[in-house]
Amino acid sequence: QVQLVQSGAEVKKPGASVKVSCKASGYTFTSYDINWVRQATGQGLEWMGWMNPNSGNTGYAQKFQGRVTMTRNTSISTAYMELSSLRSEDTAVYYCARGGGYSGYPHYWGQGTLVTVSS
Amino acid sequence: QSALTQPASVSGSPGQSITISCTGTSSDVGSYNLVSWYQQHPGKAPKLMIYEVSKRPSGVSNRFSGSKSGNTASLTISGLQAEDEADYYCCSYAGSSTLWVFGGGTKLTVL
Repeated sequence: QVQLVQSGAEVKKPGASVKVSCKASGYTFTSYDINWVRQATGQGLEWMGWMNPNSGNTGYAQKFQGRVTMTRNTSISTAYMELSSLRSEDTAVYYCARGGGYSGYPHYWGQGTLVTVSS
Repeated sequence: QSALTQPASVSGSPGQSITISCTGTSSDVGSYNLVSWYQQHPGKAPKLMIYEVSKRPSGVSNRFSGSKSGNTASLTISGLQAEDEADYYCCSYAGSSTLWVFGGGTKLTVL
C-alpha cells in the first residue's frame, strides 16, 4: 500500500532553515508528483509547490518562491522540502502528498511534520 | 491566487444530507474538472474523498458525492453519520503557475 513517512518535529529559530523529508513506499517513486502542503494551527490547507521525482522539475506557489526548495533522492525514494528565512508565521504542520491521476491532485498524504519557529 | 470560498460551518442530524459549497473563479473551478475534496479529523492528515469533481477513490463510501456548476463545486454527504464530523476542504487546479488552490475549510457538525 502507498505510504509516505515524514521526518520528525523540528524547532527552529527565526532566520534559520528547515528541511523536511518524505519517504515513499508501496509504489514507483518516480511515477507520481509530490506536492507539499502546510497547515498553521487552527487554519486551512495551503499548497506550497510540487516536484516531479523523475525529472526533478519543480513549481512553487508565488508566496514561497525564493524561500522554498524541493528536491529528491531517487535511490532512497525520498522527497525533501527546505524552507529558509523562517519566521514565526511559518509555524505549521507540513505535509507531503503524492499526486494522483494525470493531473497530480494531492492523493496520498504523509502524517505531517510540525515545524515550530520560535526564538 | 486567492483561496476558494467555503462556508465556515455546516451541521446536520444523523441520517440527513448536507451539502458544502466551494466557490472559485473562471480561472480555477470554472475552467477545469479538477476539483477534489478532503476530510480531516482533528490531529490527522487529510484524506481524499472526491477527485476530478465527482469520482470516489476506492474505499470511500458512496454516501459522498461531488458535483460542479460554473465556478462552484459541491460536496454532498447523505445519510450523515457521527464519524462524518470533521473538517472538509475543497481543492482545485488553478493553472500552470499555481497548480493547486484550497478552500478555507468547512467544519461539519453532526448534531
